[in-house]
Amino acid sequence: GQNIDQPTEMTATEGAIVQINCTYQTSGFNGLFWYQQHAGEAPTFLSYNVLDGLEEKGRFSSFLSRSKGYSYLLLKELQMKDSASYLCAVSLNGNAGNMLTFGGGTRLMVKP
Amino acid sequence: DSGVTQTPKHLITATGQRVTLRCSPRSGDLSVYWYQQSLDQGLQFLIHYYNGEERAKGNILERFSAQQFPDLHSELNLSSLELGDSALYFCASSATGGVNQPQHFGDGTRLSIL
Repeated sequence: GQNIDQPTEMTATEGAIVQINCTYQTSGFNGLFWYQQHAGEAPTFLSYNVLDGLEEKGRFSSFLSRSKGYSYLLLKELQMKDSASYLCAVSLNGNAGNMLTFGGGTRLMVKP
Repeated sequence: DSGVTQTPKHLITATGQRVTLRCSPRSGDLSVYWYQQSLDQGLQFLIHYYNGEERAKGNILERFSAQQFPDLHSELNLSSLELGDSALYFCASSATGGVNQPQHFGDGTRLSIL
């Protein structure tokens, strides 16, 4: 089966840095996505990693280690609007198609 | 705004009924995906269509079916509804369905079964 683990909740202070971890054990791997989801809204794409290493995009960076089945999302200079759930998702092949398997999400609360 | 349109936004119905959820993908996208999000299960993949053909299936119940039409819009049909089907149903689209392409999500349809 597929197993993707993330912490359920995290709290951080405005202006600080926070790291959200994701570990996965899946049959097949075609890359790892991070999505942000505000309560009751659609998930929005943040980053994609398929090779080992760090991808930086503004205040957000994502890291992948395929050998360890591990990824993290790093958020710098936290803002109140960053309070949301962060979803880690592994891309898997389904026959000729594509599917994302999501972790349960990490709810991040940013406090003043 | 992702460019993916889902209707209706909210749906309230009773057990045993049947409903149809509709999705229009972003302009130019050929792939459509359906997901179910409930409080206890998180976001679960249901099915993937590419240019009218079914390409991948997740843990989709037999009571659920989907199709993608020639104009690329998609419909998810849910029948013999049960209380446990209450959830947020998302549609997403991507250009061709390649594994490295981000999926862009619509705002979802919130289904409540009474």
